[in-house]
Amino acid sequence: NAGVTQTPKFQVLKTGQSMTLQCAQDMNHEYMSWYRQDPGMGLRLIHYSVGAGITDQGEVPNGYNVSRSTTEDFPLRLLSAAPSQTSVYFCASSLTGKYSSNQPQHFGDGTRLSIL
Amino acid sequence: KQEVTQIPAALSVPEGENLVLNCSFTDSAIYNLQWFRQDPGKGLTSLLLIQSSQREQTSGRLNASLDKSSGRSTLYIAASQPGDSATYLCAALTNAGGTSYGKLTFGQGTILTVHP
Repeated sequence: NAGVTQTPKFQVLKTGQSMTLQCAQDMNHEYMSWYRQDPGMGLRLIHYSVGAGITDQGEVPNGYNVSRSTTEDFPLRLLSAAPSQTSVYFCASSLTGKYSSNQPQHFGDGTRLSIL
Repeated sequence: KQEVTQIPAALSVPEGENLVLNCSFTDSAIYNLQWFRQDPGKGLTSLLLIQSSQREQTSGRLNASLDKSSGRSTLYIAASQPGDSATYLCAALTNAGGTSYGKLTFGQGTILTVHP
């Protein structure tokens, strides 16, 4: 029972490099999201998806791209890494993102990203 | 804009004590309030979800209450154990900008240490 799987667990990049953080879930969840967690800032929503082919911006979307071609996968792309993007990134999913569902979110273990 | 605050930021107690963690939110129009646990280097694990129509939820030694009118939730941990040591986060679910989907806003967490 894998749940939400994130890869890689750790990554160091140089400023200007690009990379993709992978997220996969095996629970047939409709809703998937990306957060970043920074000291003193809590978790902030970057992007979310309510189903394959449907994505939207969260609180801090600048510098990040997402796509959702399948129900299972929701990759997060950094197009040109900046030191301000040094953070811990979490992917989460839930059965549905509709507020009436009262479904809890399931989180992956995170990707720790350092931008030099 | 919803803001979620958790007090205290850190708490250290001896094993066996009963304790209360506090969470407050500024917008009372929430759909649910969720409590999570985060262990070092790990993702978030859902503990309890209180729907807006509920006053409390219980799971084992954990009891969470919700008072929407005052914008407060508390997490009560009975007979604390060293294994309870972790960061506890609360999150309020509100409507994501006029859609049928919800948006979670997190507090910054309370770091709990239970010493033998």
